[in-house]
Parts: sequence; C-alpha cells; structure tokens
Amino acid sequence: DTGVSQDPRHKITKRGQNVTFRCDPISEHNRLYWYRQTLGQGPEFLTYFQNEAQLEKSRLLSDRFSAERPKGSFSTLEIQRTEQGDSAMYLCASSLAASGRAPLDEQFFGPGTRLTVL
Amino acid sequence: AQSVTQLDSQVPVFEEAPVELRCNYSSSVSVYLFWYVQYPNQGLQLLLKYLSGSTLVKGINGFEAEFNKSQTSFHLRKPSVHISDTAEYFCAVRRTSGTYKYIFGTGTRLKVLA
Repeated sequence: DTGVSQDPRHKITKRGQNVTFRCDPISEHNRLYWYRQTLGQGPEFLTYFQNEAQLEKSRLLSDRFSAERPKGSFSTLEIQRTEQGDSAMYLCASSLAASGRAPLDEQFFGPGTRLTVL
Repeated sequence: AQSVTQLDSQVPVFEEAPVELRCNYSSSVSVYLFWYVQYPNQGLQLLLKYLSGSTLVKGINGFEAEFNKSQTSFHLRKPSVHISDTAEYFCAVRRTSGTYKYIFGTGTRLKVLA
C-alpha cells in the first residue's frame, strides 16, 4: 500500500490554458474525493465518486471543471480555460466504504497538486 | 449546513510546553469530528477522530481531543510539544449520514519554539 498518489505535484500554466491532474487512490478504496485548498484556508470539497459514479458535486465546481473516474480506479480533474483564481492546491483523497471492519470510511489524502496560473 | 471555526490562526508555543488548539463547529444534524495535521508540501494526515462513545479521544503523536456537545467544541491538546509538531492543524466535520464530504476549518498554524 503506497497511499494516495497525485501527478503532477506542481503545475504552472498560463491563463486560458487547460490542465489535467491525476489521482491514484489506495488500491482497494472505492470512494475518491477531490478538494481544493487555497492559501490560508482549509480544504474545500469539490466532488466525490463511488466507483465510477460521480455522486456529489460542489457549487465550487464550475462548468470549466470536470472530473472523471472511468474505471473506478484512478481519477482525473480537468480545468479548462484556467483563471488566476484557480491557483490552489488540489487534493485527492480516497476511502473504503464503511463495513463491519471499518465503521467509518476514513479519508486518506494524497500530497496534492499545486497549480499556479500566471 | 455545517461549519467549523478555528479561532486561532497561529499558536506559538515553547518546546515541552502544553498546547490547546481550539475548534468549534455548527451543525443541526449529528456529525463526526476529526483533526488532521498537514506538514509543509504534504497531504493531510489524520490525528484522531470522534465517532461516538467516550468524549475523550486519543490520537497519534500524543495528541488528544475532547468532544463537548453542549459547547459544540472539539479542542485538540498535547501535554508537551516537540519541535517536530510544527505544522498546520485542521479540524473537520462530516455528517453521519447523507454525504461523505468533510467540512474543514481554516486551520491553525502551530509553531513550536526552541
């Protein structure tokens, strides 16, 4: 178990460009979450998947943002036509749906992708 | 809706001194409560969680927290801090049903001084 991994760790782009981030969850985890963290703030929920189904989306997720988890394993978060306000740390987390073994599906976080939009 | 307030944005404390990081929450429904720690350029690591039962919860690295329902608080404490405890600490809540998203506070930066 290598934990949640995210790629890239850092991304610098120019305003108006599209960017895509990848998240690989812990292998047996069926839930995957995306959060955004701006400087001096706590993480803010963006969206989550159970297997390949996107079950909840925040109002923060404008139509320029799209997330996918096509095979219920890794996930991608794409931002189209980036704006300077999109500069933030994008965090991915995963969890295993609650069962008798694990009464709470604790979220495990990856190291994040830091996006800078110039 | 739920919200989390961490009133102290920064807490300086000398090494080996005790520390308390404050967290208050607001929710009309029952919630689970968490404390996470974030070291520079790293993701969040769970310190401890309150689900139910005993209101005093012990976590990793010598941290503990006490759930106080009447005061809607979940303050984090450590009796003796180390330089290595310098980090950002986040309090979070999650509804016990209906959603799996966490609501985080704005964080408290703990700086341990030699």
